[in-house]
Parts: sequence; structure tokens; C-alpha cells
Amino acid sequence: DGGITQSPKYLFRKEGQNVTLSCEQNLNHDAMYWYRQDPGQGLRLIYYSQIVNDFQKGDIAEGYSVSREKKESFPLTVTSAQKNPTAFYLCASNTPSGTLNIQYFGAGTRLSVL
Amino acid sequence: AQTVTQSQPEMSVQEAETVTLSCTYDTSESDYYLFWYKQPPSRQMILVIRQEAYKQQNATENRFSVNFQKAAKSFSLKISDSQLGDAAMYFCAYRRRTSGSRLTFGEGTQLTVNP
Repeated sequence: DGGITQSPKYLFRKEGQNVTLSCEQNLNHDAMYWYRQDPGQGLRLIYYSQIVNDFQKGDIAEGYSVSREKKESFPLTVTSAQKNPTAFYLCASNTPSGTLNIQYFGAGTRLSVL
Repeated sequence: AQTVTQSQPEMSVQEAETVTLSCTYDTSESDYYLFWYKQPPSRQMILVIRQEAYKQQNATENRFSVNFQKAAKSFSLKISDSQLGDAAMYFCAYRRRTSGSRLTFGEGTQLTVNP
């Protein structure tokens, strides 16, 4: 089945630890995105990538890092510099320009601090 | 910068009735997309409906329709014949037409459907 796979579903971080959230898509989409969602709030953009080996900061990039070495993969690392990492993280990818231009989402990862 | 505002944090509707969720946005662009996404308790984001700004005709998807007022920068969602499965958080979102551009989301409206 085509889609976006995020793993793990639940993740726990210890103080001072870096953790990495995985996002893989087999939709052949060029653009990929990471969003953070806090309880009862909308989605805020962390990072996005329009093409392999290139990415841009979103609105809340501090304390996060990403890489885009393969078209299918866009992992997000939550570093120890992110002091309030507890949130729900959503990965998305977008159909190419000139088509329906729809953004599809993964099922999300819930990150909590131990 | 573009902003999206949903002024109704919570709404409720009786099953089989009609409800309208409000959304306004601010942009200086003339060509863009607008979306309504649904997020049920599973937290999976699901696209409900999409509108292209250059199209005057309001989009419709089965029981879901929009009222797109470009001059007023308003994009409301109407749900007809509400069903229990419609209960969810609904997000309005804006996107420029440019390739690879980002989505900007509103704060969301929590919809409750009463049996």
C-alpha cells in the first residue's frame, strides 16, 4: 500500500538525550514536512524539504534537526536543546506541483519526556 | 505572512442536522489553495475538501461543502446530515500555489455530534 509510515508510534526521551523520529513515504513525492501539534492546538511547521539534500526551517525549528539523503526518507531528530519536546509529531508529503497538490499525513509519533 | 483564523474552538450539532464551521485567512497572494482537514481521535489527519482560489464555484464532496468568499477571505465548511463519525477536530489550512510551498493551519474547531 502506498502511504507515509511514521515510527515509532510512542517515544520516550530522557533528559539530555537526542531522539530520532522516522518518516518514510513510498508515494514518490518530492516535498516532505514535519509538524508539531500541542494539545488542543493546530499544527506548527518544524522543517520541510522540497528535494533531496535540501531542507528549510519552518516556524519552530530551534532544538530540532533533519536530513534528506533519500527521496523516501525525512527523519527528524529532537535534540537536547529542545526543552519542551512533549508533543505529537506529524510527518507529511505533498503531491507534485501541477497535480492535485494535496498534502498527505502519517499516523504520527507521540513523544514524551521521562 | 499568511495567517489562518478559526474563531470557534468548539461546536456541537445534533445528528442529522447541519453545522457550519468558520475560517478566515489573510494573504496578499491571488492564487492559492484552501483545505479543510479532519482529525478524529485516532489523530490521523484526513483531507475533507479542497478549494482552488481561482475557481469561483464552491467545492462539494458528498455531505461536505464550502462557502468560499475570496474578497472577504472567508472559507467556511458546511456539514449536512451530520453523523456520529463526523465528530473530530477540524482544521482549516492555506497554501500558496507555488510548488513545494507549506501549509498554514488554523487553531482548529472541535466538533461534537450529539445522538
